[in-house]
Amino acid sequence: EAGVVQSPRYKIIEKKQPVAFWCNPISGHNTLYWYRQNLGQGPELLIRYENEEAVDDSQLPKDRFSAERLKGVDSTLKIQPAELGDSAVYLCASSLWLGPTGELFFGEGSRLTVL
Amino acid sequence: SQQGEEDPQALSIQEGENATMNCSYKTSINNLQWYRQNSGRGLVHLILIRSNEREKHSGRLRVTLDTSKKSSSLLITASRAADTASYFCATAETSGSRLTFGEGTQLTVNP
Repeated sequence: EAGVVQSPRYKIIEKKQPVAFWCNPISGHNTLYWYRQNLGQGPELLIRYENEEAVDDSQLPKDRFSAERLKGVDSTLKIQPAELGDSAVYLCASSLWLGPTGELFFGEGSRLTVL
Repeated sequence: SQQGEEDPQALSIQEGENATMNCSYKTSINNLQWYRQNSGRGLVHLILIRSNEREKHSGRLRVTLDTSKKSSSLLITASRAADTASYFCATAETSGSRLTFGEGTQLTVNP
Protein backbone atom coordinates (compact mmCIF):
# COMPACT_ATOMS: atom_id res chain seq x y z
CA GLU A 1 0.00 0.00 0.00
CA ALA A 2 1.42 3.37 -1.01
CA GLY A 3 1.92 5.88 1.77
CA VAL A 4 1.27 9.59 1.83
CA VAL A 5 3.19 11.24 -0.99
CA GLN A 6 4.41 14.81 -0.80
CA SER A 7 6.29 16.99 -3.23
CA PRO A 8 8.62 18.70 -3.47
CA ARG A 9 10.84 17.31 -0.71
CA TYR A 10 12.93 20.46 -0.63
CA LYS A 11 12.29 24.01 -1.80
CA ILE A 12 14.48 27.08 -1.49
CA ILE A 13 12.98 30.44 -2.41
CA GLU A 14 13.57 34.08 -1.76
CA LYS A 15 11.20 35.99 0.47
CA LYS A 16 8.11 37.40 -1.18
CA GLN A 17 8.08 34.57 -3.72
CA PRO A 18 5.17 32.13 -3.88
CA VAL A 19 5.49 28.42 -3.15
CA ALA A 20 3.14 25.44 -3.34
CA PHE A 21 3.23 22.00 -1.80
CA TRP A 22 1.31 19.00 -3.00
CA CYS A 23 0.02 15.99 -1.07
CA ASN A 24 -1.53 12.71 -2.19
CA PRO A 25 -3.02 10.87 0.81
CA ILE A 26 -3.43 7.15 1.27
CA SER A 27 -6.24 5.83 -0.88
CA GLY A 28 -9.53 5.77 1.00
CA HIS A 29 -8.41 8.15 3.73
CA ASN A 30 -11.08 10.78 4.10
CA THR A 31 -9.30 13.09 6.52
CA LEU A 32 -6.27 15.08 5.43
CA TYR A 33 -4.06 17.33 7.54
CA TRP A 34 -1.39 19.91 6.90
CA TYR A 35 1.04 20.47 9.75
CA ARG A 36 4.00 22.81 10.06
CA GLN A 37 7.04 21.69 12.01
CA ASN A 38 9.72 24.14 13.07
CA LEU A 39 13.19 22.88 13.89
CA GLY A 40 13.31 21.08 17.22
CA GLN A 41 9.57 21.32 17.79
CA GLY A 42 6.51 19.18 17.34
CA PRO A 43 4.12 19.55 14.41
CA GLU A 44 1.45 22.25 14.63
CA LEU A 45 -1.82 21.89 12.78
CA LEU A 46 -2.52 24.31 9.95
CA ILE A 47 -5.66 22.82 8.44
CA ARG A 48 -7.75 19.67 8.54
CA TYR A 49 -10.03 18.44 5.75
CA GLU A 50 -12.80 15.90 5.99
CA ASN A 51 -13.36 14.87 2.39
CA GLU A 52 -13.26 18.18 0.52
CA GLU A 53 -14.40 20.36 3.41
CA ALA A 54 -11.95 22.33 5.53
CA VAL A 55 -13.32 21.65 9.01
CA ASP A 56 -10.50 23.21 11.04
CA ASP A 57 -8.49 26.05 9.53
CA SER A 58 -8.34 28.22 12.61
CA GLN A 59 -4.54 28.10 12.74
CA LEU A 60 -3.96 28.78 9.05
CA PRO A 61 -2.54 32.31 8.51
CA LYS A 62 -5.10 33.23 5.93
CA ASP A 63 -3.44 36.44 4.81
CA ARG A 64 -0.73 34.49 3.03
CA PHE A 65 -1.60 30.79 3.25
CA SER A 66 -4.26 28.99 1.26
CA ALA A 67 -5.14 25.36 0.80
CA GLU A 68 -7.47 23.30 -1.29
CA ARG A 69 -8.44 19.68 -1.57
CA LEU A 70 -9.88 18.89 -4.95
CA LYS A 71 -12.49 16.14 -5.15
CA GLY A 72 -11.58 15.10 -1.63
CA VAL A 73 -8.30 13.47 -2.64
CA ASP A 74 -5.12 15.44 -3.40
CA SER A 75 -4.39 18.68 -1.61
CA THR A 76 -2.27 21.74 -2.26
CA LEU A 77 -0.93 24.19 0.31
CA LYS A 78 0.19 27.56 -1.01
CA ILE A 79 2.12 30.42 0.56
CA GLN A 80 2.09 33.79 -1.16
CA PRO A 81 4.17 35.75 -0.44
CA ALA A 82 6.62 33.73 1.63
CA GLU A 83 8.34 35.32 4.62
CA LEU A 84 11.57 34.36 6.37
CA GLY A 85 9.59 32.93 9.30
CA ASP A 86 7.86 30.44 7.00
CA SER A 87 11.01 28.33 6.83
CA ALA A 88 9.92 24.98 8.22
CA VAL A 89 8.93 21.45 7.25
CA TYR A 90 5.37 21.17 5.95
CA LEU A 91 3.92 17.78 6.73
CA CYS A 92 0.86 16.24 5.18
CA ALA A 93 -0.96 13.44 6.98
CA SER A 94 -4.05 11.41 6.34
CA SER A 95 -6.36 9.30 8.45
CA LEU A 96 -9.00 6.71 7.80
CA TRP A 97 -11.03 8.11 10.69
CA LEU A 98 -13.31 11.10 10.31
CA GLY A 99 -12.77 13.50 13.16
CA PRO A 100 -9.51 14.87 14.52
CA THR A 101 -8.42 12.14 16.90
CA GLY A 102 -7.45 9.12 14.86
CA GLU A 103 -4.14 7.57 13.96
CA LEU A 104 -2.28 9.69 11.44
CA PHE A 105 -0.12 8.56 8.55
CA PHE A 106 2.46 11.17 7.60
CA GLY A 107 4.32 11.89 4.42
CA GLU A 108 8.04 12.61 4.38
CA GLY A 109 7.45 16.36 4.45
CA SER A 110 8.42 19.32 2.31
CA ARG A 111 11.29 21.33 3.74
CA LEU A 112 11.00 25.03 2.88
CA THR A 113 13.87 27.45 3.19
CA VAL A 114 13.09 31.13 2.66
CA LEU A 115 16.12 33.34 2.03
CA SER B 1 -0.22 25.93 21.39
CA GLN B 2 1.16 22.57 22.52
CA GLN B 3 -0.69 20.54 25.11
CA GLY B 4 1.73 17.70 25.71
CA GLU B 5 5.14 18.21 27.24
CA GLU B 6 7.72 15.47 26.91
CA ASP B 7 10.39 14.83 29.45
CA PRO B 8 13.33 14.59 29.11
CA GLN B 9 14.02 16.76 26.07
CA ALA B 10 16.99 14.55 25.23
CA LEU B 11 18.07 11.09 26.33
CA SER B 12 21.25 9.22 25.51
CA ILE B 13 21.65 5.54 26.39
CA GLN B 14 23.64 2.47 25.41
CA GLU B 15 22.28 -0.29 23.22
CA GLY B 16 20.45 -2.88 25.27
CA GLU B 17 19.33 -0.44 27.93
CA ASN B 18 15.72 0.60 28.44
CA ALA B 19 14.53 4.09 27.50
CA THR B 20 11.69 5.83 29.29
CA MET B 21 10.05 9.01 28.05
CA ASN B 22 7.26 10.88 29.77
CA CYS B 23 4.46 13.07 28.54
CA SER B 24 2.29 15.39 30.62
CA TYR B 25 -0.81 17.14 29.38
CA LYS B 26 -3.31 19.66 30.67
CA THR B 27 -6.87 18.87 29.58
CA SER B 28 -9.09 15.80 29.46
CA ILE B 29 -8.37 13.51 26.56
CA ASN B 30 -10.04 10.82 24.45
CA ASN B 31 -6.76 9.18 23.62
CA LEU B 32 -3.02 9.71 23.64
CA GLN B 33 -0.72 8.64 20.83
CA TRP B 34 3.02 8.21 20.48
CA TYR B 35 4.90 8.85 17.25
CA ARG B 36 8.50 8.41 16.17
CA GLN B 37 10.37 10.64 13.74
CA ASN B 38 13.71 9.73 12.27
CA SER B 39 15.89 12.65 11.22
CA GLY B 40 14.62 14.26 8.04
CA ARG B 41 11.60 11.96 7.78
CA GLY B 42 7.90 12.07 8.55
CA LEU B 43 6.31 10.86 11.76
CA VAL B 44 5.38 7.23 12.21
CA HIS B 45 2.54 6.18 14.49
CA LEU B 46 3.65 3.81 17.25
CA ILE B 47 0.75 3.26 19.60
CA LEU B 48 -2.61 4.71 20.66
CA ILE B 49 -3.95 4.38 24.19
CA ARG B 50 -7.51 5.35 25.03
CA SER B 51 -8.49 7.27 28.14
CA ASN B 52 -10.08 4.16 29.69
CA GLU B 53 -6.91 2.10 29.23
CA ARG B 54 -4.00 2.07 31.66
CA GLU B 55 -1.34 0.13 29.80
CA LYS B 56 -0.67 -1.07 26.30
CA HIS B 57 2.10 -3.11 24.70
CA SER B 58 3.40 -3.38 21.17
CA GLY B 59 6.56 -5.41 20.66
CA ARG B 60 9.31 -3.72 22.68
CA LEU B 61 7.08 -0.75 23.45
CA ARG B 62 5.07 -0.30 26.62
CA VAL B 63 2.84 2.71 27.14
CA THR B 64 1.11 3.65 30.37
CA LEU B 65 -1.53 6.28 30.93
CA ASP B 66 -2.49 7.86 34.25
CA THR B 67 -5.43 10.16 33.65
CA SER B 68 -5.52 11.27 37.29
CA LYS B 69 -2.01 12.68 36.89
CA LYS B 70 -2.53 13.63 33.26
CA SER B 71 0.61 11.82 32.25
CA SER B 72 1.82 9.00 30.05
CA SER B 73 5.09 7.16 29.66
CA LEU B 74 6.67 5.32 26.77
CA LEU B 75 9.12 2.55 27.62
CA ILE B 76 11.35 1.06 24.94
CA THR B 77 12.99 -2.12 26.18
CA ALA B 78 16.30 -3.53 24.98
CA SER B 79 16.98 -0.48 22.84
CA ARG B 80 18.81 -0.65 19.52
CA ALA B 81 20.78 1.92 17.57
CA ALA B 82 17.90 1.98 15.08
CA ASP B 83 15.64 3.36 17.84
CA THR B 84 17.55 6.65 17.62
CA ALA B 85 14.87 9.19 16.74
CA SER B 86 12.61 11.88 18.17
CA TYR B 87 9.55 10.64 20.00
CA PHE B 88 6.38 12.72 20.25
CA CYS B 89 3.25 12.32 22.28
CA ALA B 90 0.00 13.63 20.83
CA THR B 91 -3.19 14.19 22.76
CA ALA B 92 -6.73 14.05 21.42
CA GLU B 93 -8.72 16.36 23.65
CA THR B 94 -12.25 15.42 24.69
CA SER B 95 -13.39 18.74 23.28
CA GLY B 96 -12.72 16.96 20.01
CA SER B 97 -11.03 19.87 18.36
CA ARG B 98 -7.69 18.48 17.29
CA LEU B 99 -4.71 16.22 17.91
CA THR B 100 -1.97 18.26 19.57
CA PHE B 101 1.69 17.27 19.57
CA GLY B 102 4.31 17.92 22.22
CA GLU B 103 7.83 19.10 21.46
CA GLY B 104 9.36 15.65 21.59
CA THR B 105 12.17 13.71 23.23
CA GLN B 106 15.34 13.17 21.23
CA LEU B 107 16.56 9.64 21.93
CA THR B 108 20.08 8.60 21.02
CA VAL B 109 21.02 4.95 21.37
CA ASN B 110 24.76 4.45 21.22
CA PRO B 111 26.04 1.14 19.77
